[in-house]
Amino acid sequence: NAGVTQTPKFQVLKTGQSMTLQCAQDMNHNSMYWYRQDPGMGLRLIYYSASEGTTDKGEVPNGYNVSRLNKREFSLRLESAAPSQTSVYFCASSGRRLLQETPRQWEQFFGPGTRLTVL
Amino acid sequence: SQQGEEDPQALSIQEGENATMNCSYKTSINNLQWYRQNSGRGLVHLILIRSNEREKHSGRLRVTLDTSKKSSSLLITASRAADTASYFCATPHSGGYQKVTFGTGTKLQVIP
Repeated sequence: NAGVTQTPKFQVLKTGQSMTLQCAQDMNHNSMYWYRQDPGMGLRLIYYSASEGTTDKGEVPNGYNVSRLNKREFSLRLESAAPSQTSVYFCASSGRRLLQETPRQWEQFFGPGTRLTVL
Repeated sequence: SQQGEEDPQALSIQEGENATMNCSYKTSINNLQWYRQNSGRGLVHLILIRSNEREKHSGRLRVTLDTSKKSSSLLITASRAADTASYFCATPHSGGYQKVTFGTGTKLQVIP
């Protein structure tokens, strides 16, 4: 099992360009997440998807769109990149392992990250 | 806004010493998680402690939770150079039952 995979690993964009970050998981998890990590800020949630076909905004959604293509894949799109979007982006997934677990107890599994620079 | 805040922000110790890092949070929770992040990598789940637990062990890790003080601590005993990483606490997000909020992290350096 590959776990959570992300592509690309690195990307440099010019201001105004667009791109899509891809994420896939093979753990049959219902929930998937996109975070950004900036120095001194920890991880901040951009968007999440509680199940296939649903998406919802997180803490910092402005400038981003997402698509939950199917249960495995969750993509993040920057329509018009800005220097403020320079960051490391992480995708994560979570799902119930035990019947008695509630969603608040689910651990999250992270991808290796995408380092994005916007010039 | 951040729910969890780690303290200290950075910690440097000698190999073999114990490392303690703390997490404080603001609202009532039913569980708290700790994650590790090696440089340039994604986060890895270490341990989850439920609100009805006061202490939990996993190998060289010991986690405590004090719900009255809204705080948790992570103790790494007999540290190794491989423990060098950033450590984050995560608490359930107040706005959604499947989301968590991460703290800003403690950067631990273990000197061989």
